[in-house]
Amino acid sequence: QSVLTQPPSVSGAPGQRVTISCTGSSSNIGVGYDVHWYQQLPGTAPKLLIYGNTNRPSGVPDRFSGSKSGTSASLAITGLRAEDEADYYCQSYDSTEVVFGGGTKLTVL
Amino acid sequence: QVQLQESGPGLVKPSQTLSLTCTVSGGSISSGSYYWSWIRQPAGKGLEWIGRIYTSGRSYTSGSTDYTPSLKSRVTMSVDTSKNQVSLKLSSVTAADTAVYYCARDGGWGYNYWGQGTLVTVSS
Repeated sequence: QSVLTQPPSVSGAPGQRVTISCTGSSSNIGVGYDVHWYQQLPGTAPKLLIYGNTNRPSGVPDRFSGSKSGTSASLAITGLRAEDEADYYCQSYDSTEVVFGGGTKLTVL
Repeated sequence: QVQLQESGPGLVKPSQTLSLTCTVSGGSISSGSYYWSWIRQPAGKGLEWIGRIYTSGRSYTSGSTDYTPSLKSRVTMSVDTSKNQVSLKLSSVTAADTAVYYCARDGGWGYNYWGQGTLVTVSS
């Protein structure tokens, strides 16, 4: 069982907007630790998608955005494309530990 | 461009020690302040953080480690700055330790560099 809770799956049609939630607690997200998001395509290593709650690394399309409030964070993807079909993970910190969400599989219908 | 490459045996027998090395190229491992982590992923499952080691060319805390509590008694991480390598040792392995093992670098803004991962199977 992961420290951060994500929905196992989400889906959307091309062009639509989807959100993926990441729920933590007062010992991790809620205490102020940053949340980062990763995209993992099949058979590849995870790729940093959002860092510091809301920031996109160079090269990540602005269709991807992150937010954080209280003990939760969210990843939003607008203008869904077929190539967005992947697993998405949130990550934060809990004292001296790094914690991940269980991952969310995004299916583009 | 920084690159990370994991290496080590792909097959380990139960009760033995798993040993992996992450070789860093494109920059010195101690040129900045970084956390080097090992993260694993069993087939079809999510990411599990194993632990991290801190490197800094200027800090007395360089070489300090943090491990996930569930594996702490079996994990050792170390750094060899002369070889630009980070190492992982996991003792007393069982089939539950079978996974793809990744090394990754966190500069304070998430893991922006990852190795390609290496599959380690625990089997007799």
